[in-house]
Amino acid sequence: EDKVVQSPLSLVVHEGDTVTLNCSYEVTNFRSLLWYKQEKKAPTFLFMLTSSGIEKKSGRLSSILDKKELFSILNITATQTGDSAVYLCAVEGSNYQLIWGAGTKLIIKP
Amino acid sequence: DGGITQSPKYLFRKEGQNVTLSCEQNLNHDAMYWYRQDPGQGLRLIYYSQIVNDFQKGDIAEGYSVSREKKESFPLTVTSAQKNPTAFYLCASSPAALAGGVDTQYFGPGTRLTVL
Repeated sequence: EDKVVQSPLSLVVHEGDTVTLNCSYEVTNFRSLLWYKQEKKAPTFLFMLTSSGIEKKSGRLSSILDKKELFSILNITATQTGDSAVYLCAVEGSNYQLIWGAGTKLIIKP
Repeated sequence: DGGITQSPKYLFRKEGQNVTLSCEQNLNHDAMYWYRQDPGQGLRLIYYSQIVNDFQKGDIAEGYSVSREKKESFPLTVTSAQKNPTAFYLCASSPAALAGGVDTQYFGPGTRLTVL
């Protein structure tokens, strides 16, 4: 059975800290891995990763995929209170469907 | 403005009643999806549609039904057969599911359904 596991489930840090969120997967016919940020309601897209070892960056956020070890990490440096959200990882497998992780709830304290 | 709208935002239903959640998009996307979100769990796919008049079951389709009579509309009916319908429901669309790559999947604001 396909599955995506995120860790930790929740994380509380102080502003300015660096955080690393983890996403491991077992998905048949892997096509891509996606990271989303969910603040209030609908998730917003962050990154899509398809190739192993190539880092994607957007400002203070970065992500990398390891297709051999079947995981991805999302890094956030110099965290701000606006980074507080649930971060969702999803893997695209067979039939172009997404398998979602449970998310990591990140709380940034001022 | 282009986007996806869902209505209503909050919905209350008595046990035994069917209820329909609306999802409309004006992005001219071919594919549309319905997800369910429960606390501590990832999004789970209920149904998806790649083209008008066609749809497929997702992972948890039991107790739900959909229709895709128009490209821009993909309503979800939660039937009385759904054992635990209280959840947050998200609708999404993407340009073309069969093209691969779902990075352009757009989400609506969601509907929170509570069964009393």
